[in-house]
Amino acid sequence: AQTVTQSQPEMSVQEAETVTLSCTYDTSENNYYLFWYKQPPSRQMILVIRQEAYKQQNATENRFSVNFQKAAKSFSLKISDSQLGDTAMYFCASHMNTGFQKLVFGTGTRLLVSP
Amino acid sequence: GAGVSQSPSNKVTEKGKDVELRCDPISGHTALYWYRQSLGQGLEFLIYFQGNSAPDKSGLPSDRFSAERTGGSVSTLTIQRTQQEDSAVYLCASRDSGTINYGYTFGSGTRLTVV
Repeated sequence: AQTVTQSQPEMSVQEAETVTLSCTYDTSENNYYLFWYKQPPSRQMILVIRQEAYKQQNATENRFSVNFQKAAKSFSLKISDSQLGDTAMYFCASHMNTGFQKLVFGTGTRLLVSP
Repeated sequence: GAGVSQSPSNKVTEKGKDVELRCDPISGHTALYWYRQSLGQGLEFLIYFQGNSAPDKSGLPSDRFSAERTGGSVSTLTIQRTQQEDSAVYLCASRDSGTINYGYTFGSGTRLTVV
């Protein structure tokens, strides 16, 4: 079975600081993708960053980067130089490329960036 | 269209009534998903359509829930005899099944309130 766990219900960070959101997952597959999505109050799910499991290099997108530890099944998101607009719910999700190809989500982390 | 469109944006209905929620995916996306997000929760998978294949209905919570996808494009999620526990945001997503590179594109959801 495919499961994703986010153990931090809420996190706070001050503007310009760095914050790391944790995510662990469980799968017996080797061919999969991992994602972080951001959901602001508008409800729109916005793709922040993705990681292919077969790539060892950690993905980066501007201020967002991941620490992908495949053996430990860990996929944390680091947000550098936090901005007020980063305030949102963040969801970690996994997608298997075989079998039931759907996104499985964690329960989310609410991030508050304060001035 | 440029994105995934869902309608209505908000729906208030009386307990026991039937409701229909609509999703218009990105043109050419063969995979379409419905998710449910209850207050403060993660996203719960409901149903998955892939081209002309039989849909994966494994996430539907009861036989009051059904969905169809006509012509491989627009999808309708129907909830019969609504109950208060059906109150949630219903999100639709689509993706190009030929590649996962761009992830899933989500609509802004329909907030359903059963009173």
